[in-house]
Amino acid sequence: DAGVIQSPRHEVTEMGQEVTLRCKPISGHNSLFWYRQTMMRGLELLIYFNNNVPIDDSGMPEDRFSAKMPNASFSTLKIQPSEPRDSAVYFCASSLGLDANEQFFGPGTRLTVL
Amino acid sequence: SQQGEEDPQALSIQEGENATMNCSYKTSINNLQWYRQNSGRGLVHLILIRSNEREKHSGRLRVTLDTSKKSSSLLITASRAADTASYFCATDRRGYGGSQGNLIFGKGTKLSVKP
Repeated sequence: DAGVIQSPRHEVTEMGQEVTLRCKPISGHNSLFWYRQTMMRGLELLIYFNNNVPIDDSGMPEDRFSAKMPNASFSTLKIQPSEPRDSAVYFCASSLGLDANEQFFGPGTRLTVL
Repeated sequence: SQQGEEDPQALSIQEGENATMNCSYKTSINNLQWYRQNSGRGLVHLILIRSNEREKHSGRLRVTLDTSKKSSSLLITASRAADTASYFCATDRRGYGGSQGNLIFGKGTKLSVKP
């Protein structure tokens, strides 16, 4: 299995630009999670999907952030417009089932907003 | 606020020594998990212990759970330089009345094993 795939691995952009991060979960997993990791705040859950439906988006910082999961094998996290404080590593993870089971993480996207 | 808090924040030991990391949490849980993160990589699941279990082993890893004290410990025996990484505990959120399936991670313990 390829594991969770994220793209791009690195993104450098200027303040005000739109950023789109992509994730392909492990085939057969029906839960998908987007996290953000910074030194100051640690690992924060942004949004969580189950069977392609957003279940909990209470961690999304503000309206500039949006996430979609159009099908079971693809999800996007979009930031528009981006700000320097959005600089972080963004992880996507997937798991099987509804319970808080083992999560499989992708390699992350390191975002730098100048 | 954090559900899981690891302690210590950083730990430096010599190869061959044992490493113990602790995690405290605030509300009732269904299970507690430990993850490892190498620098620049995603987290990797190590072990899951359910609330009705007290101890679990996996290779050189030993995890204990004390639900009365709301704490867990991760012991790595006979550490190796390759064990150098950050270690996180994660708990589910049912005690917060939140949704199923998602976890709250602590800020981690940074373990350095010197050869």
